[in-house]
Amino acid sequence: EADIYQTPRYLVIGTGKKITLECSQTMGHDKMYWYQQDPGMELHLIHYSYGVNSTEKGDLSSESTVSRIRTEHFPLTLESARPSHTSQYLCASSGVDRGGRLSFGQGTRLTVV
Amino acid sequence: RKEVEQDPGPFNVPEGATVAFNCTYSNSASQSFFWYRQDCRKEPKLLMSVYSSGNEDGRFTAQLNRASQYISLLIRDSKLSDSATYLCVVNPWDNAGNNRKLIWGLGTSLAVNP
Repeated sequence: EADIYQTPRYLVIGTGKKITLECSQTMGHDKMYWYQQDPGMELHLIHYSYGVNSTEKGDLSSESTVSRIRTEHFPLTLESARPSHTSQYLCASSGVDRGGRLSFGQGTRLTVV
Repeated sequence: RKEVEQDPGPFNVPEGATVAFNCTYSNSASQSFFWYRQDCRKEPKLLMSVYSSGNEDGRFTAQLNRASQYISLLIRDSKLSDSATYLCVVNPWDNAGNNRKLIWGLGTSLAVNP
């Protein structure tokens, strides 16, 4: 069973607020990812990291930023939330030899009003 | 054309039926292939990897056809609990083994009815 945790599970917040979505894993995985998914739509990679102090933007442009100061922690920050940021955000991780075998957190469902 | 294409369905089948999904991919350099399952409003979970020789896990069989660039998933003796969206994932592996370019299909929706 995967040990990757996201908090909060649900967040409703006003426009202009700064928010941080937390993601932690206890598996010692080097690779971590943030995906964005709207209902009924495909997953879009927005950020990834291959290790501490390594972060890169994904295929989908995003106004969010990430940091990777510790192996187990990969938070995502939105400096000023907008309604267009309303979506589900999924964090995932994988080990060095696991190819496309990702373990996902339960997701954060964000609503910006 | 999308890099990974799946029939979105929905596939409505009775319990006990056998159902098969196909997924086509456009990048012939793709190296790794996977099927994930995603329940409504939940996170994706790895169902199985797809190997060149084909592989089976209980009621589930995955196959790869490199010549025609498609992978398939066969579910035998469908259960109500198999109702979900099945995502095809392709990894055009680079030399470093990085999978940042995982390409996700839109998914095929399956509803197993009593």
